Amino acid sequence: NAGVTQTPKFRILKIGQSMTLQCTQDMNHNYMYWYRQDPGMGLKLIYYSVGAGITDKGEVPNGYNVSRSTTEDFPLRLELAAPSQTSVYFCASSYSMGRPIVPTDTQYFGPGTRLTVL
Amino acid sequence: EDKVVQSPLSLVVHEGDTVTLNCSYEVTNFRSLLWYKQEKKAPTFLFMLTSSGIEKKSGRLSSILDKKELFSILNITATQTGDSAIYLCAVEAQAGKSTFGDGTTLTVKP
Repeated sequence: NAGVTQTPKFRILKIGQSMTLQCTQDMNHNYMYWYRQDPGMGLKLIYYSVGAGITDKGEVPNGYNVSRSTTEDFPLRLELAAPSQTSVYFCASSYSMGRPIVPTDTQYFGPGTRLTVL
Repeated sequence: EDKVVQSPLSLVVHEGDTVTLNCSYEVTNFRSLLWYKQEKKAPTFLFMLTSSGIEKKSGRLSSILDKKELFSILNITATQTGDSAIYLCAVEAQAGKSTFGDGTTLTVKP
């Protein structure tokens, strides 16, 4: 299994440009996540998905969009890049039974995308 | 708003020392607390804790949860330079939504 893969590894954007960060997992996990990590900080949840066709906002969704048309793929779209979006972006996936009191299994993370907006 | 606070923010020790990292939380509907290790790249899983007072161990690392006082500790004994990393604590309070602390950066000197 490749686990969680992300592309690209690095990207420099100009202010106002758009791009899509790709994320694919081959573990048949139902849950997928996008986080950003700024220097010296923990991970902030941008968006997450509990299954194909279902997405929801995390802590910091502004300036981003997602879609989940398949179980495997969860792309993150930046429409109008701003310097504040300079960060490292991690995609993750996990399995959940979906029951109210049963914890979700651990998240498996992709290698990250380092994005700089100038 | 869910909140996870880790302390200390950074720590420098020498090989062979024992360290204790702290994670306190304020969340509604606690489901689990997880510890991750982050070296240069992506976080990797260490422990998942759901019940108070039950210690989880893996080699020189151990962790325990106190759901009454709302905290967890991660202990590393006989530290090695390979333990140098950022240690992240995360709490799942709603299915699919985890809140992360800012991490503790551990540096182990030879």
